Amino acid sequence: DAKTTQPTSMDCAEGRAANLPCNHSTISGNEYVYWYRQIHSQGPQYIIHGLKNNETNEMASLIITEDRKSSTLILPHATLRDTAVYYCIVRVAGDDKIIFGKGTRLHILP
Amino acid sequence: EPEVTQTPSHQVTQMGQEVILRCVPISNHLYFYWYRQILGQKVEFLVSFYNNEISEKSEIFDDQFSVERPDGSNFTLKIRSTKLEDSAMYFCASPKSGTDTQYFGPGTRLTVL
Repeated sequence: DAKTTQPTSMDCAEGRAANLPCNHSTISGNEYVYWYRQIHSQGPQYIIHGLKNNETNEMASLIITEDRKSSTLILPHATLRDTAVYYCIVRVAGDDKIIFGKGTRLHILP
Repeated sequence: EPEVTQTPSHQVTQMGQEVILRCVPISNHLYFYWYRQILGQKVEFLVSFYNNEISEKSEIFDDQFSVERPDGSNFTLKIRSTKLEDSAMYFCASPKSGTDTQYFGPGTRLTVL
């Protein structure tokens, strides 16, 4: 089973920052937090991952709390193309499989 | 983003027939993975394959399934005798060289009639 808890759905206005929360209270010290998204039946798309420091790339920022029990994915300026299901995953680096939960369905509103 | 390709994009077959789904992972990587997603459900892990051997498989990956690397670049998922419940999207994934971040292909939609 997935070790994360995410809201089922969220709305965000186009142009605003989308903040997607994730709880992973049982995360182990060697587990990373990964984020993927899936746009309508396409293959899951990698967004970002981190261990304990905050991370930023061209797509998003990842904020991990100091106790590592929760994190937030931030899409700084959401567009309609960001409408997707967003998956928060905890995973040991080098571990084989990814265990997906149900994710958060993000709706970007025009 | 590194590219993983899959063929065909859509496969329609009759129940009981064999199907072969193909994947070309990111170049020069020895790991690849297969996942499936039944319509409206979660993405589920099927099998991981490393250096020409199955590394790990899920309960879904029963005797009807097999994976092969028929040549240096292609990987295949074979379902010997398809069932209606095998209808799903099938995704392969491969890490980029030097990382273990998995990148997914666009998927094959399998429809079993």
